[in-house]
Amino acid sequence: EAQVTQNPRYLITVTGKKLTVTCSQNMNHEYMSWYRQDPGLGLRQIYYSMNVEVTDKGDVPEGYKVSRKEKRNFPLILESPSPNQTSLYFCASSLIDPGFTEAFFGQGTRLTVV
Amino acid sequence: GIQVEQSPPDLILQEGANSTLRCNFSDSVNNLQWFHQNPWGQLINLFYIPSGTKQNGRLSATTVATERYSLLYISSSQTTDSGVYFCAGTTSGGSYIPTFGRGTSLIVHP
Repeated sequence: EAQVTQNPRYLITVTGKKLTVTCSQNMNHEYMSWYRQDPGLGLRQIYYSMNVEVTDKGDVPEGYKVSRKEKRNFPLILESPSPNQTSLYFCASSLIDPGFTEAFFGQGTRLTVV
Repeated sequence: GIQVEQSPPDLILQEGANSTLRCNFSDSVNNLQWFHQNPWGQLINLFYIPSGTKQNGRLSATTVATERYSLLYISSSQTTDSGVYFCAGTTSGGSYIPTFGRGTSLIVHP
C-alpha cells in the first residue's frame, strides 16, 4: 500500500530537548516536504526536498532542520524546541512531474513543547 | 506568493443537503488539490484537479484555471463528511512550495 508514515503520532517534550520526527514514503517519490498546521493559519511549509541531498527552505524554516540522506526518508529535527513550535506537523511526498504532482500526506504528528 | 481564499469559512448542514465550496486564487496555479481533514486531524486527498471536472462518488470538483477558481461539490452530505476542506496549489512559475487556503469547516448534523 502506498503511504507516507510519520512517527511519533503524539509527542510531549520540554523546551530545549532535541527531538526528531521521522517520515518515510514507499512510493519512490523525489519530492518530500514538511508542514506545520496552526489554528487560523492553515498549513505552512517548513522545508522541502527535491531529491537526495537537496533541501530548501519553505515559508517557516526557523528553528527546524531536515536531512535527506535516502530517497525514502526525510526526518524533521528540532535542535532546541520552544513552546511556539507546539503544532500539528505533516510530512508529504509527491513525484516531480509537471503533469502529475499529487501530494500524499502522512498521518500527522501532534507536538507539544512545555 | 499567491493568495488563496476559501469560502465559506464555516458551513453547517443537515444530513442529506448539498453544498458547494469555493477556492479562489490570486494568480495562475498548477497542481491544484482538494483535501479533507477529518476530526482526528488526518489529511485525505480528495482530488488532484489542475483543470476540468472530476467526480468520485458523492463528491465532484471543477477547476476553471483561466478564471483562477475551483469548486468542490458535496451532494447528499453525511455526518462523516464533517471536518475541514482545504484547497492548495503551486504557482505557474514552477515553485514547489504549495499555498494552502485556510479551509472551510463543515459540520453535518444527523
